[in-house]
Amino acid sequence: SAVISQKPSRDICQRGTSLTIQCQVDSQVTMMFWYRQQPGQSLTLIATANQGSEATYESGFVIDKFPISRPNLTFSTLTVSNMSPEDSSIYLCSVAGDKNNSPLHFGNGTRLTVT
Amino acid sequence: GESVGLHLPTLSVQEGDNSIINCAYSNSASDYFIWYKQESGKGPQFIIDIRSNMDKRQGQRVTVLLNKTVKHLSLQIAATQPGDSAVYFCAENGSGGSQGNLIFGKGTKLSVKP
Repeated sequence: SAVISQKPSRDICQRGTSLTIQCQVDSQVTMMFWYRQQPGQSLTLIATANQGSEATYESGFVIDKFPISRPNLTFSTLTVSNMSPEDSSIYLCSVAGDKNNSPLHFGNGTRLTVT
Repeated sequence: GESVGLHLPTLSVQEGDNSIINCAYSNSASDYFIWYKQESGKGPQFIIDIRSNMDKRQGQRVTVLLNKTVKHLSLQIAATQPGDSAVYFCAENGSGGSQGNLIFGKGTKLSVKP
């Protein structure tokens, strides 16, 4: 499976600031996704990062808050904008295989704490 | 609405025993199910998956059982080892949407006593 690297692995940020998280994959992948895992909780899909077009956001997530870039088939960024303590979570990049219903593979995530 | 949940939030087992982690799903349209293992400080790691045209699938020391009649999924770990200690999540693909839109259960924490 693809090797997924995220940077930073963790950060502590002040409220009102923004943080951009990078996701690098060691092979070209069609589908890349960003998930959020709030403390002690399960995973929720934020958006699908589409190469060459705007990301597709899930209900409850908006582009102004979580802008996403996907400049090529191996890289994506997620920005958490105008952060508040409620944004403290683990943010996870994931990729899927090209076959339908192939499992998602995840990076180790970015642990964000907003003070 | 769609939901995936777990019967047991925590499970403690003796090393060498078998572990069974259960999951209930509510969307009868789901046709693909996955189990993930998440160790502390890491992302979810794929363990095993199963499609709805099967009721059992075996991997190395793990077996997934799917009962579509009662919308139940289980993960069996044989001869549980300390390295199996982690949080386990079930996930389903729901009734449509993007390939990446998995619906995750709340997670079960497995603790293995030496």
